[in-house]
Amino acid sequence: AQTVTQSQPEMSVQEAETVTLSCTYDTSESDYYLFWYKQPPSRQMILVIRQEAYKQQNATENRFSVNFQKAAKSFSLKISDSQLGDAAMYFCAYKPNAGKSTFGDGTTLTVKP
Amino acid sequence: DSGVTQTPKHLITATGQRVTLRCSPRSGDLSVYWYQQSLDQGLQFLIQYYNGEERAKGNILERFSAQQFPDLHSELNLSSLELGDSALYFCASSPRYATGDYGYTFGSGTRLTVV
Repeated sequence: AQTVTQSQPEMSVQEAETVTLSCTYDTSESDYYLFWYKQPPSRQMILVIRQEAYKQQNATENRFSVNFQKAAKSFSLKISDSQLGDAAMYFCAYKPNAGKSTFGDGTTLTVKP
Repeated sequence: DSGVTQTPKHLITATGQRVTLRCSPRSGDLSVYWYQQSLDQGLQFLIQYYNGEERAKGNILERFSAQQFPDLHSELNLSSLELGDSALYFCASSPRYATGDYGYTFGSGTRLTVV
């Protein structure tokens, strides 16, 4: 079974600084997708960024970027120029092609003004 | 508005009761997934439907059941409720594109409190 591990239950960052959230996963599949989702205090789950496993290029969405290391099965999220609105719980998710997503336990990010 | 509609938003019920949670997926999405999120924990997969058929099952209790109807809306039925069933229940939908997988669109969840 696929597993997703987020080793940092809590992280904090100063406003305008950069923070990296870690995620590792375990799979024997070669075709899959990786995602980061954000869950603010409203509890709504919001897709932040996606990565296709067969693409070597790291995905970027504005201030959010990933460091995807396929051989190491590592998928970290970097948030640059952190803003107060980035405070949330962040979930890493693994999804095989046409399958269901497996989520990590989440990292709670605090942004300090 | 994400396009995925879940009702009700909040539900308070007594132990031993039965409730039904409803989800309408985003227009055009054929897959529906149900997840359970207990307080400050991760999301536990319950069940997946694709175009009316069950596709995958997680650690869903026998007291729980679900179905997807011809109009693609889905219902999650929870019976003989226990205090430990109190959680946030999410529905998510996803499309099927030839160009790849673009992740889930989540509903806003149903907060179930069993007293």
